[in-house]
Amino acid sequence: DADVTQTPRNRITKTGKRIMLECSQTKGHDRMYWYRQDPGLGLRLIYYSFDVKDINKGEISDGYSVSRQAQAKFSLSLESAIPNQTALYFCATRAASTGELFFGEGSRLTVL
Amino acid sequence: KQEVTQIPAALSVPEGENLVLNCSFTDSAIYNLQWFRQDPGKGLTSLLLIQSSQREQTSGRLNASLDKSSGRSTLYIAASQPGDSATYLCAVRNSNSGYALNFGKGTSLLVTP
Repeated sequence: DADVTQTPRNRITKTGKRIMLECSQTKGHDRMYWYRQDPGLGLRLIYYSFDVKDINKGEISDGYSVSRQAQAKFSLSLESAIPNQTALYFCATRAASTGELFFGEGSRLTVL
Repeated sequence: KQEVTQIPAALSVPEGENLVLNCSFTDSAIYNLQWFRQDPGKGLTSLLLIQSSQREQTSGRLNASLDKSSGRSTLYIAASQPGDSATYLCAVRNSNSGYALNFGKGTSLLVTP
């Protein structure tokens, strides 16, 4: 099983719908991140969390919210999806000792 | 703001060649640099992590070097194979902004049989 698991892997939705992307990890890391990847723009940070009570905005947090339900779970929500939120979304965890980042397989979201 | 650049954007080589991928960054005050591999539509797989105090890291046919003063890192792939075909990304974690990595846009590598 993957250390960082994202669900769903693929989702097609309509403008205005609420969407939740879920991430769970078995690595025991406190630090978790949500990134989005767009062709030509690379990866950009949406939100990050250092522990259950510490959640912070990244560079492109508008239109998104997150919830850290437990050390192992970090969810990303789009309250009212719009077409320019069509992207590949990645969850990642970071080892505190080395700083190494570990990514999930990604969630491809299409907003029509 | 840290800017990370990867050149070339795309590279095609015949199988068996040794090759070098380049990554440059504008702010030398980094905590570490990490190289990733991404297959189409897939997640990122960590290849090598170099701490700021290190000059290089090796894993199998891969060798990554770091020159902080010049703001450069290279990923050397020896004896390339078709299975090496993927996009390679480098990411820099700044010393003064430890919460996130700044990513380059990647080099798309194609190794032909």
